[in-house]
Amino acid sequence: DVKVTQSSRYLVKRTGEKVFLECVQDMDHENMFWYRQDPGLGLRLIYFSYDVKMKEKGDIPEGYSVSREKKERFSLILESASTNQTSMYLCASSRRLGGGTDTQYFGPGTRLTVL
Amino acid sequence: AQSVTQLGSHVSVSEGALVLLRCNYSSSVPPYLFWYVQYPNQGLQLLLKYTTGATLVKGINGFEAEFKKSETSFHLTKPSAHMSDAAEYFCAVSDDSSYKLIFGSGTRLLVRP
Repeated sequence: DVKVTQSSRYLVKRTGEKVFLECVQDMDHENMFWYRQDPGLGLRLIYFSYDVKMKEKGDIPEGYSVSREKKERFSLILESASTNQTSMYLCASSRRLGGGTDTQYFGPGTRLTVL
Repeated sequence: AQSVTQLGSHVSVSEGALVLLRCNYSSSVPPYLFWYVQYPNQGLQLLLKYTTGATLVKGINGFEAEFKKSETSFHLTKPSAHMSDAAEYFCAVSDDSSYKLIFGSGTRLLVRP
C-alpha cells in the first residue's frame, strides 16, 4: 500500500524558532511536494522537488526553504517561524514520467501553530 | 494560467439524496482534472481523475464526474449520499506542461440524517 508519512501530526512552536517538517514516501517517486492548506484557500504549493537535490519554487515560497538529500525524504524548513505560518502542511509525492496525469499521494498533514 | 473554481464552500444534503459538487476550470491547453477527498484529520485521497478518453469518469465510493469541454466543467456527483461521505472535496487541474496541481478552494459536504 502506498504510503506518505509526516513526522508530526501536531506541532506548536514559538515565533522566531527554526522549524523542520519531515516527509517520507515509500513508493520510489521522483516528485515530492509541500503544500499549505488554509480555510477558503484550498491547497497552495510552497515548493516541489523533481529529483534528489533539485527543487523548484511553488506559488508561495516566501519564508520557507526545502531540502531533499535522499529520494524518499523531503523536508520543509521555516527559517524563522512567524504567526502567519500557522497552518496545515501537507506533503505529497508522485511519479515523474506520467507528467500531469499522475496521481499525487498525500500524507496525513502536520498542523503547525506558531505562538 | 490555469485556475479552478468550486461553487459553494458548503453543501448540505440529506442522506439518500443526490450529491452535486460543482467545479469549473480555466485552461488554455487540454486539461487533466482531478477530484480529491479529505476526511476529517486526514490527508487528501484521490476520488477520480480525467486524463483522456471517456468523458464520464467513475471513481471510488460511487462517485462520478463528467468532463464537459464546452462548459469548462467537471462536476462531481453521487446518486445517493451516505453519512460517511461527509468530508471536504477538492477539484484540481494540471496539464502536460507540468506535474503541478492547481486546486480549488474546496467544498465541505454535510450529510444530514
